[in-house]
Order: sequence, then structure tokens, then C-alpha cells
Amino acid sequence: DSGVTQTPKHLITATGQRVTLRCSPRSGDLSVYWYQQSLDQGLQFLIQYYNGEERAKGNILERFSAQQFPDLHSELNLSSLELGDSALYFCASSVENRGGVNEQFFGPGTRLTVL
Amino acid sequence: AQKVTQAQTEISVVEKEDVTLDCVYETRDTTYYLFWYKQPPSGELVFLIRRNSFDEQNEISGRYSWNFQKSTSSFNFTITASQVVDSAVYFCALSEASISNFGNEKLTFGTGTRLTIIP
Repeated sequence: DSGVTQTPKHLITATGQRVTLRCSPRSGDLSVYWYQQSLDQGLQFLIQYYNGEERAKGNILERFSAQQFPDLHSELNLSSLELGDSALYFCASSVENRGGVNEQFFGPGTRLTVL
Repeated sequence: AQKVTQAQTEISVVEKEDVTLDCVYETRDTTYYLFWYKQPPSGELVFLIRRNSFDEQNEISGRYSWNFQKSTSSFNFTITASQVVDSAVYFCALSEASISNFGNEKLTFGTGTRLTIIP
């Protein structure tokens, strides 16, 4: 158990809908990252938050957005869903390392199926 | 741009054999970090090791060992005396840590190697 929690574990929805994925980082971790794992794209970085502020953005679609709240949990919002958005969405967290890059600890993931 | 290549898509070995998973990376930064993660059939991503670009010492942890060679931009992972529980997909990942990139700690993953240990 990494200490990172994600809900829900599974989500099945229809095209055009909107969903929210939730993540709670490990205790003490200020950074939260979101990744998408799909068969055709592999593991792709979406976005990073640090202590409530967006720090880095990857190949995140405009239909997707995220935020990190004062209690450090994060939510990833996916809207106008398409079949191709079906994937495993991971959240990860890490402590800040001003001298380098620390390892990220991943949650169990949310499997999204768009029908 | 950073890139990680894991040329071995799938490997199968018989239990107790040794196996090496290859990882080749590309980066323009002189400061970077390399990682290995394991994704067992249950789906979670498990951290195995982190190595920075200034530390070329090989590392051993039980049956696992890692060989980092900057000259060939490789960070290979060897499992000695493999066990059925080692069956998983293994990912190599890279994160650049230059001053211009400060704060952006994204991981760039390879495509993974599916390792099957045959009992």
C-alpha cells in the first residue's frame, strides 16, 4: 500500500458525460501528479500540482482539468467524454526535494470505461 | 526532449533463471533521474529504485540489481533467480531536473516490458 488513495476504483459512463476522479496523497506530500495509462498511448503525464498550484502540464486535453485543494487532495475532471478516453488514470504523490527529483508513489488507479 | 526506450516488449523465462530488462534513455540535461516501477497483474505501480545521473554505482537489493551506464545511456535491471511473483510489467522512467526545468518533475515512461516467469 503506497499510502495514496484514489476513488472510485472503477467508473463506467457514456460518451459526452463528465466525471470526477479523486486522489488523496500520502501524508506530508505536497506534490500530486496525474497520469493516464492506455493501450495505445502507454503511461502519459497529464498534470502536476504543488501545494495547491499548478506546476507542470503534459499532454492534457482541454476537456480535462484538475485542481488541488487546501487539504491537498486533488480532483481530475474529464468532460465531453469520448471512447478514446477509456483508460486507467493514476494519481501519484511525492515530497518536495529542492535538490532533485524524488520518487513518486502511485495510487491504485481509477479505471474509466466510456461506452 | 526526453525519451525512454524499452525494446523488449515481452520476455518469458523459466523460474530460477536470471533475466535482464533493458532501458535506454535520451535527454539533453546533465542532471536527471532514472526510475524503475513494477506493475503486477493487480494493476498498481510499485516503485523499485531511483538513481540520479551523478551516481553511476550499481545497486543491488536482494535478487534485484541495476546497472547504470552513462556512456551508453542505459539503466538495465536484472532479476536473479527469478520467481513467479516477479511476473509483471516493468517500466523504466526518466525525469529531468535542470534549473530551467525546476519544479517540473514529470516522469517520462518507457513502453514497459512484460515479464512472465514460467513455473
